[in-house]
Amino acid sequence: DAGVIQSPRHEVTEMGQEVTLRCKPISGHDYLFWYRQTMMRGLELLIYFNNNVPIDDSGMPEDRFSAKMPNASFSTLKIQPSEPRDSAVYFCASSFQGSPLHFGNGTRLTVT
Amino acid sequence: SQQGEEDPQALSIQEGENATMNCSYKTSINNLQWYRQNSGRGLVHLILIRSNEREKHSGRLRVTLDTSKKSSSLLITASRAADTASYFCATVTNAGKSTFGDGTTLTVKP
Repeated sequence: DAGVIQSPRHEVTEMGQEVTLRCKPISGHDYLFWYRQTMMRGLELLIYFNNNVPIDDSGMPEDRFSAKMPNASFSTLKIQPSEPRDSAVYFCASSFQGSPLHFGNGTRLTVT
Repeated sequence: SQQGEEDPQALSIQEGENATMNCSYKTSINNLQWYRQNSGRGLVHLILIRSNEREKHSGRLRVTLDTSKKSSSLLITASRAADTASYFCATVTNAGKSTFGDGTTLTVKP
C-alpha cells in the first residue's frame, strides 16, 4: 500500500487566494483526520470523518475553512480566503476502526 | 493543546541512558497511543495501550497508563542517537476522536 498520500507537498500563495489541500487515505480505512501543526499551537485536530461523514469539526478555526470527503478515497481541505496566520503544516491521517493513525507527509502551506 | 500536556517539553540525554516522557489528558478515553515524528515528516505510530491496560512493552519501549490520574508515560530504554525525534501522545475516545499532546523533543547525544 502506498500509504496516505497528500498533495501538494508545498504550497506558497498570497493572502486572499483560495487554497485546496488534497488527501487520499489508505484503502479500507474508515476514519480520516485533518490536523494542522505549528510551533505555537502544536498539532491541532481540525476535523475528522467516519465513513465519509464529518463527525466533529469543532477544531476548524473559522468559516474560511471547509473540508469535504465525497468518497472513501478522497478528501479536501479548503481555505478561502487564505491569511498569513494559516501558514502551517497540514497533515491528513487515516485509520481503521480506532486502530493507529497512518499519517501522510503533510502539506507545508505558506501564505504571504 | 486540545487534549492535554506532555512533559518535559524537551529532554537531552546521552546514548545508552533511559528517556521518560509523561502525558496528561482531560477526557475519558478508549485508548492512548504514542507517536514519533522526525523533523519535516508525518507522525509514526509506536505503541497503543487500551484503557483497561496498565502497562505495555514493545522492544525498548514501555508504556504505562493510569486512568485514575489521567496520565501515561513512555520509557525508552538504552537510547540511541537514532531515537532523536519528537514524541507525542494521542488520546482516542470511544467515538474515534484522536487528539494529540504538545509533544516532547528528545535529543540523544552520541
